[in-house]
Amino acid sequence: DAKTTQPPSMDCAEGRAANLPCNHSTISGNEYVYWYRQIHSQGPQYIIHGLKNNETNEMASLIITEDRKSSTLILPHATLRDTAVYYCIVRTSFKAAGNKLTFGGGTRVLVKP
Amino acid sequence: EAQVTQNPRYLITVTGKKLTVTCSQNMNHEYMSWYRQDPGLGLRQIYYSMNVEVTDKGDVPEGYKVSRKEKRNFPLILESPSPNQTSLYFCASSFGLLAETQYFGPGTRLLVL
Repeated sequence: DAKTTQPPSMDCAEGRAANLPCNHSTISGNEYVYWYRQIHSQGPQYIIHGLKNNETNEMASLIITEDRKSSTLILPHATLRDTAVYYCIVRTSFKAAGNKLTFGGGTRVLVKP
Repeated sequence: EAQVTQNPRYLITVTGKKLTVTCSQNMNHEYMSWYRQDPGLGLRQIYYSMNVEVTDKGDVPEGYKVSRKEKRNFPLILESPSPNQTSLYFCASSFGLLAETQYFGPGTRLLVL
């Protein structure tokens, strides 16, 4: 699976959009970009994923650059409950075995009132 | 409500005293997995199961056992716990290896003295 690079931390004002960048310059053609988040010591929570088109769901939007070497997760109206560590993961949709998720360092997002 | 449950949520035990952490999901998922999370080491897969009576080792299986006698349950067994198994444990499930998302339980914090 391709390696990802994320800023270690960022702050965001409550009610404003939070834009979380992720670099994955070694991504290959069959690898998806996934985003999970983990609120302090809780189980990781799936947010969104995409291959090359931009995606949107009730939680967030995912913007993937045309060359697919980077992406941005957008939380449109951050709330205090969005304070968490956000993980960008690049992997194939199908794994031969294990289906394991490998989380890197992530971005620690602090939403401030 | 669709969910993955784990019990207990917190456990303090002593070296060598056998323990079991239960995991149950109500989504009829085929795939289940156990992870441990330690500071600086991220999430590491211990064991996984692709269906009833089918289990396999993850990255860090030493000192752990699992069983999958029913589709909904996937207990993690520590036959002789040691202090290096002090960790935060997560159970996860998904529809199968092709599933796009994994659903995580709330976590079990284990301290082995």
